[in-house]
Amino acid sequence: GENVEQHPSTLSVQEGDSAVIKCTYSDSASNYFPWYKQELGKGPQLIIDIRSNVGEKKDQRIAVTLNKTAKHFSLHITETQPEDSAVYFCAASGDKLIFGTGTRLQVFP
Amino acid sequence: ETGVTQSPTHLIKTRGQQVTLRCSSQSGHNTVSWYQQALGQGPQFIFQYYREEENGRGNFPPRFSGLQFPNYSSELNVNALELDDSALYLCASSLLALAYNEQFFGPGTRLTVL
Repeated sequence: GENVEQHPSTLSVQEGDSAVIKCTYSDSASNYFPWYKQELGKGPQLIIDIRSNVGEKKDQRIAVTLNKTAKHFSLHITETQPEDSAVYFCAASGDKLIFGTGTRLQVFP
Repeated sequence: ETGVTQSPTHLIKTRGQQVTLRCSSQSGHNTVSWYQQALGQGPQFIFQYYREEENGRGNFPPRFSGLQFPNYSSELNVNALELDDSALYLCASSLLALAYNEQFFGPGTRLTVL
């Protein structure tokens, strides 16, 4: 069935360093790839998304890349700050949104 | 612009009981999707409602059912609760007229089944 794999499950970085989270999807019909940030006790918050006709998108310190041939997409956070600490989920959407298993990012001051 | 709201925030039920969770869509959105998020996992798609009709369903049994009202608010009903139903239940609203499924989530309802 449809599946999204996400790595790593946990990621610890020093403030100011970069963080990269990678996802792989199985459904070739997927055409929309959002990333969500979830803080403790809250619902997922959309932080950036990319559509299948685009290879890369950037929004300030956050960038996402998509390789449709390899069915890979990645989230890059530069100049990390302690407030970036949260759980991040990738997702892939064809007719429904399929989520990855999440990455717990810890940014140490 | 009003965001997605859910009620109640927390709920405790016993096995075999029934529960109803509620969701109000973001202003201007006509579609609601429901997800179950077990502890330490990503959200799992339950079903989606568009114009008061079910518009897609994940791998959940029929005891999970829903409704969408003319004002696009929605309910999730779960009958014959089981211990494994304990989870965070999230609703997300979107505008299905768009080609891409951009969804905005509410804060969730934490359901505990004892």
